[in-house]
Amino acid sequence: KNEVEQSPQNLTAQEGEFITINCSYSVGISALHWLQQHPGGGIVSLFMLSSGKKKHGRLIATINIQEKHSSLHITASHPRDSAVYICAGGGRDDKIIFGKGTRLHILP
Amino acid sequence: EPEVTQTPSHQVTQMGQEVILRCVPISNHLYFYWYRQILGQKVEFLVSFYNNEISEKSEIFDDQFSVERPDGSNFTLKIRSTKLEDSAMYFCASMGEMNTEAFFGQGTRLTVV
Repeated sequence: KNEVEQSPQNLTAQEGEFITINCSYSVGISALHWLQQHPGGGIVSLFMLSSGKKKHGRLIATINIQEKHSSLHITASHPRDSAVYICAGGGRDDKIIFGKGTRLHILP
Repeated sequence: EPEVTQTPSHQVTQMGQEVILRCVPISNHLYFYWYRQILGQKVEFLVSFYNNEISEKSEIFDDQFSVERPDGSNFTLKIRSTKLEDSAMYFCASMGEMNTEAFFGQGTRLTVV
C-alpha cells in the first residue's frame, strides 16, 4: 500500500527563517509532488520530482530515491508563504496519495 | 497559463439529492482525477479516468458516485443520493501524462444539509 508521511504537522517561524518540511514515502511511489494549499482551499502544484533537485524562486525541493525521502525548503521565508504544504506520491497505479500536510505560519 | 476550472465553487444540497460537480481539465491532458477533502482532514483520492474509462478508484468511490466525460472537454462527478458525510471540498485535477505535474482546480465546496 502506498503511503506518504510528512513532518512536522505544524510549523511556526519568524520571517526570514529557512524552512524545511520533510516527507517520507513508501516503496510503490516513484513520483513525488509538493503542493501548496491556500487558506481558501485552492491547491497549487509547486514541484513534481522523480529524482534530484528542483528550484523555483525561494523554493527548493529535493528527493533521495534510495532513502525514499523528500524535502521542501523555503529560503528567506515571508508571511505570504503561510499555507499548508502537502507532499503527495504517485506510483505505477494511477492515483496520487496525499500526506496530511504541514501547516506553516510565518510571523512578521 | 492553462488552468483547470471547476463549477460551481460552492453548492448546498439537501440530503438525498443528486449533485453534479463539473470540471474542465486542461485541453491536451489525458489523465483526470477527482479528490475530496473533508474539513480538517487530508486530501483523499476518489477516482482516476483515462481513455474514457475509470482506471482506478478508492473504497470511498462506491455506487453512489459516477464520473463522465460527456463531450470531450468536461469531466463530471455525480453523487446520486447525497449523505451528510459527503460534505467536503471536491478537487478535480488533470495531468498530461502519468506522474507528471498535476494541475488542480480551485475546488467545489459541497455542503449537504
